[in-house]
Amino acid sequence: VQLVESGGGLVQPGKSLKLSCSASGFTFSSYGMHWIRQAPGKGLDWVAYISSSSGTVYADAVKGRFTISRDNAKNTLYLQLNSLKSEDTAIYYCARGPHYWGQGVMVTVSS
Amino acid sequence: DIVMTQGALPNPVPSGESASITCQSSKSLLHSNGKTYLNWYLQRPGQSPQLLIYWMSTRASGVSDRFSGSGSGTDFTLKISSVEAEDVGVYYCQQFLEYPLTFGSGTKLEIK
Repeated sequence: VQLVESGGGLVQPGKSLKLSCSASGFTFSSYGMHWIRQAPGKGLDWVAYISSSSGTVYADAVKGRFTISRDNAKNTLYLQLNSLKSEDTAIYYCARGPHYWGQGVMVTVSS
Repeated sequence: DIVMTQGALPNPVPSGESASITCQSSKSLLHSNGKTYLNWYLQRPGQSPQLLIYWMSTRASGVSDRFSGSGSGTDFTLKISSVEAEDVGVYYCQQFLEYPLTFGSGTKLEIK
């Protein structure tokens, strides 16, 4: 199992960014997937979940601003981040259940 | 939301000694199916979190048997017998009984 995030970077407050998580080594379409983030020097904060049938759940802090989605044909998980705030600055991890995590991608929201 | 509260360690812990990390949940994590929805992770410096224990007491694949998990519905303990240098990092408990999934604030382990 391998999960590789990409798409992070420096973005201004109020702008948008789209993260990707490329999955390999398992049947991607059969598994629910999570995004979890970690602000610099802080703890872990669950962000969103998408089931194998594309049902979604979000943390209150991102509801209405972030959208989790998946493309099973491309074995890729996405997180669309809109209306970004400074408090969204974090490393974003994708994860398959508790067992498998990617290496994370940094998102910095700053003017 | 379920609040997870972790205790601190008396750092640094001498190499070879045991260490116990506590975690308390604001709601019972014991499901009617008999399973307790509690995970433990270790995040080593500069790395992604690594699953140590799931279902409160089941060791993940490849995890040393020096790690063990125990507890009740709301009070949990991760015990590390004979700590080693590779055990350094931050330990997190997490509940997965209901959304939003929530983590404890983390417990740092330093070795002497």
